[in-house]
Amino acid sequence: GAVVSQHPSRVICKSGTSVKIECRSLDFQATTMFWYRQFPKQSLMLMATSNEGSKATYEQGVEKDKFLINHASLTLSTLTVTSAHPEDSSFYICSARDLTTKETQYFGPGTRLLVL
Amino acid sequence: SQQGEEDPQALSIQEGENATMNCSYKTSINNLQWYRQNSGRGLVHLILIRSNEREKHSGRLRVTLDTSKKSSSLLITASRAADTASYFCATERSGNTPLVFGKGTRLSVIA
Repeated sequence: GAVVSQHPSRVICKSGTSVKIECRSLDFQATTMFWYRQFPKQSLMLMATSNEGSKATYEQGVEKDKFLINHASLTLSTLTVTSAHPEDSSFYICSARDLTTKETQYFGPGTRLLVL
Repeated sequence: SQQGEEDPQALSIQEGENATMNCSYKTSINNLQWYRQNSGRGLVHLILIRSNEREKHSGRLRVTLDTSKKSSSLLITASRAADTASYFCATERSGNTPLVFGKGTRLSVIA
């Protein structure tokens, strides 16, 4: 099946630093990728929709200046958490929709962010 | 925003028993999907059921969908300790919309 990778798988950083998370579709092209956040023992909450070649669409309550999304190619979207704070510690998961089989989304393995 | 509500929030059963989890949603959908997530890990896609389907099977999994009641159920038969995980339903409204996840059910299967 289709594979989506995320890098890094986990990151620990100091408060105030910025962290970039990459989401790649390895064997298919994706015009649309989605970024989710999951706090411990909670469900996945959609943060934003990333569209190749255009600006991301953010969900209500998600600060676009804090969570920068760049979808520069059909196989790569990046999420940058700027000036990270301890409350940004979470599990970040991306998903990508295959251009050819639009019904199916494939999820990455997630990135665990811990901000000290 | 979350659309689905899972019921129950937590379920503990003995190995060999069946586990039933329910999901309700609020808007019209294109399809509904069930995922499993082991603690601290990524999502595993289990099954997708389209809005024009009423029941689907995959191995020990049986999913039903009632669009008139906006609800779905996931049945795991002959449960195993390895089935211990959180289970989420997720709905897709149309072709290019994101999946919206329910709150999930934490299933514990005791050996």
